[in-house]
Amino acid sequence: EDQVTQSPEALRLQEGESSSLNCSYTVSGLRGLFWYRQDPGKGPEFLFTLYSAGEEKEKERLKATLTKKESFLHITAPKPEDSATYLCAVQAGAGSGGKLIFGQGTELSVKP
Amino acid sequence: GAGVSQTPSNKVTEKGKYVELRCDPISGHTALYWYRQSLGQGPEFLIYFQGTGAADDSGLPNDRFFAVRPEGSVSTLKIQRTERGDSAVYLCASSLWDRGLPGELFFGEGSRLTVL
Repeated sequence: EDQVTQSPEALRLQEGESSSLNCSYTVSGLRGLFWYRQDPGKGPEFLFTLYSAGEEKEKERLKATLTKKESFLHITAPKPEDSATYLCAVQAGAGSGGKLIFGQGTELSVKP
Repeated sequence: GAGVSQTPSNKVTEKGKYVELRCDPISGHTALYWYRQSLGQGPEFLIYFQGTGAADDSGLPNDRFFAVRPEGSVSTLKIQRTERGDSAVYLCASSLWDRGLPGELFFGEGSRLTVL
């Protein structure tokens, strides 16, 4: 069964304290891995798509990396406005069409 | 509109009642998705449309749930005989396709359904 697990469930950082969020996946044929950010009461907002092991993408203080078993979202010198829940999702299998399987998310809190 | 619009934003209903949730996607997006999100969980796939047809409805939990997209734009998620376990935020998203994959999914703010 295709599965996505994120860790930790919650992370509290001081402003400027860099860290990483983990997304482990077990899927039959990864076609794409996606990172989204979700603020309270809002829908998820797209951050990155990664297609193959070794790929990296960056956006401001965020950098996403991908291996054959997991993805990391590195946050460098975070600011309070980076506080949100970060969701990882995968699309798996040739016949999976538009179905994304999401992890449960990591709730990040950055204190000034 | 500029983004995905969902109505109502909040719906409170009684057990056993019928509910309709509407989604107006971004103009030109051929793909439309419905997800359900419970508190503290990630979104759970329900159904997705390419144009007017349901390309994958494998996530619909049972036959009380049904969704349509008759003209390839607006979609309605219909829930019959609601149960307390149906309480959740129902998210709609739309996208274009890129390299055979859903591109960036643009989500609406969701419809929060509470079944008393």
